Amino acid sequence: DTGVSQDPRHKITKRGQNVTFRCDPISEHNRLYWYRQTLGQGPEFLTYFQNEAQLEKSRLLSDRFSAERPKGSFSTLEIQRTEQGDSAMYLCASSAQQGARSGELFFGEGSRLTVL
Amino acid sequence: DQQVKQNSPSLSVQEGRISILNCDYTNSMFDYFLWYKKYPAEGPTFLISISSIKDKNEDGRFTVFLNKSAKHLSLHIVPSQPGDSAVYFCAASGYSSYKLIFGSGTRLLVRP
Repeated sequence: DTGVSQDPRHKITKRGQNVTFRCDPISEHNRLYWYRQTLGQGPEFLTYFQNEAQLEKSRLLSDRFSAERPKGSFSTLEIQRTEQGDSAMYLCASSAQQGARSGELFFGEGSRLTVL
Repeated sequence: DQQVKQNSPSLSVQEGRISILNCDYTNSMFDYFLWYKKYPAEGPTFLISISSIKDKNEDGRFTVFLNKSAKHLSLHIVPSQPGDSAVYFCAASGYSSYKLIFGSGTRLLVRP
């Protein structure tokens, strides 16, 4: 399977703990995105990488959130000191568009976070 | 501030009939629009897109219509099939913007 893969698929944690999600994009894609989706809502943009550079972060991404893409391939999203409000589906997407827009994004199946 | 709105949370249609899903946007800088389909426990998958230089784009059973003056787009599925039952998201972006802004989705149920 050469699609976008995310790990873990589901994480249950206690409030205050740190969690990390990993995303492996489609190999030839240079753009990588993180989105968050809560129940009854559409995906909300969190952050965007072009190769290893993080070019945009949403105001939704508080100081407890950090994302990296160290070698321009896989990416990690870490949430420190989790809160119950962080419970959501975290979606990773990638794209290969070379122009000045996102184009079509290819999404992974998501990592569901439950904070108790 | 919801820039992309899908005001119908759900829609039920009979198999073989037309499904029409609607989407409104407020940001006049948006010039590229996409529809995604999402099944349970899967990520959204791209369905069809349209640029603001067009008012219609067709791909098989799926057609997207764009009315720029009304800031409104719609997705037509004809004929509808039970396998089309899913949540449909409308999304939009502007030139030189790398992010998509999504609506809240419409759950489509196609009854056999």
